[in-house]
This record gives sequence, structure tokens and C-alpha cells, in this order.
Amino acid sequence: QVQLQESGPGLVKPSETLSLTCTVSGGSISSYYWSWIRQPPGKGLEWIGYIYYSGSTNYNPSLKSRVTISIDTSKNQFSLNLSSVTAPDTAVYYCAAIVSTDDAFDIWGQGTMVTVSS
Amino acid sequence: EIVMTQSPATLSVSPGERATLSCRASQSVSSNLAWYQQKPGQAPRLLIYGASTRATGIPARFSGSGSGTEFTLTISSLHSEDFAVYYCQQFNNWPPRYTFGQGTKLEIK
Repeated sequence: QVQLQESGPGLVKPSETLSLTCTVSGGSISSYYWSWIRQPPGKGLEWIGYIYYSGSTNYNPSLKSRVTISIDTSKNQFSLNLSSVTAPDTAVYYCAAIVSTDDAFDIWGQGTMVTVSS
Repeated sequence: EIVMTQSPATLSVSPGERATLSCRASQSVSSNLAWYQQKPGQAPRLLIYGASTRATGIPARFSGSGSGTEFTLTISSLHSEDFAVYYCQQFNNWPPRYTFGQGTKLEIK
């Protein structure tokens, strides 16, 4: 059973880059689509983007200019970089995967809270 | 961009009763529609995908229906653990995009 675990700083200063890593266990990262999704406090879910194990990516147009998702198959990890952050980027960040369905996220990490503040 | 609209924002239902949640897409998403349940402090859990297929381990009291632009999640007889926020999510093939609705909070009446 594939499991995901997010890691990274819980506090990022405005204008800096938010960097998170998701570690995949219980299966190989060399399959499937791997996504990042965020949820501001008290609000709904926003898909940030995905990476395929081959390295191809697709990003939410609203964030595309600031987002980079990368993959390290040797470490079974994928990562999120979000540049030039501001307070509205404060959110719980989830990594998620589509494993057993065609287009729905059936595997989720527990989420990590990231606060943007000086 | 496809916009997903869920209604109502809040639904108050008594345990044992039936709950019906709606999700509308601004344009057709075929059957590329999923439903999630989220409890406070937890990650979302996939309930339904392909508009009507229950995910692994999801009780039969949860059912999904619809296609095109109108979708429904029905919980046939509410258990105490079903009170949560529910989100719908669509997948658009080209360009590849995932969009969530704003959520329906299902609360105890």
C-alpha cells in the first residue's frame, strides 16, 4: 500500500521560496501521477500541479509562473517549490497520488501546515 | 476553466436520514467526477470516482450519480461518522486540470 509523507519548513518569510518534499513508501515512484494540493485555513482545496514519473509536469495556470515540481526517483521523493510567497500562500499542503483510479486522488499524505509570515 | 459549484453550502440532517449533496460543472466533464470526505484535521478521503464507482473500503450507503454537468452524492442512512465536509472534483482531459468544488458541510440536525 502506497503511503505519502510531506516534510519541510512550517514557516516561510514573504518573498521567499516555499520548498516541500513528499516521500513515497510502500511502492515505487516510477509509476503514477504525483500531485500537490493545498488548503488555506477554513477554505477549500486547490490543485497545484502534478509530475509524472517520467518528469513531465502540469501546473495550475493560476500558480504556473511560481511553481516547480520535481522528482527524484533514486530517493522515491517528489518536491514542490513555490516562489515569491505571500500571506495568501499560507495553507496546509498535501501531496497526493492517483494510483488505482483514472482521475481521482486515492492516496493522500497527512498534510503539512505552512505559514507565510515575517 | 471549468468551475465546480456545490450546493447547499451547509446541509443539516438527522442521523439515520438520507442526505443528498449536489455538484454542478460549468461545462461537461463527462463522468470524470470524484467525491471526497474531509474531517477536521484530516486529509480528504476518496469516496467516489468516475461519478459512481465507490473507492476501496467505502460503505455501500455512499452512492454517486450523474454525468455531464450535474452530479449527486447520496448517503442513504447517515451514521455519526458521516458528518464532515464533502468536496467534488473534476478532471479535464485537455488541458489536464483538476478542479474542486467549494465544499458542502454536512452537520447534525
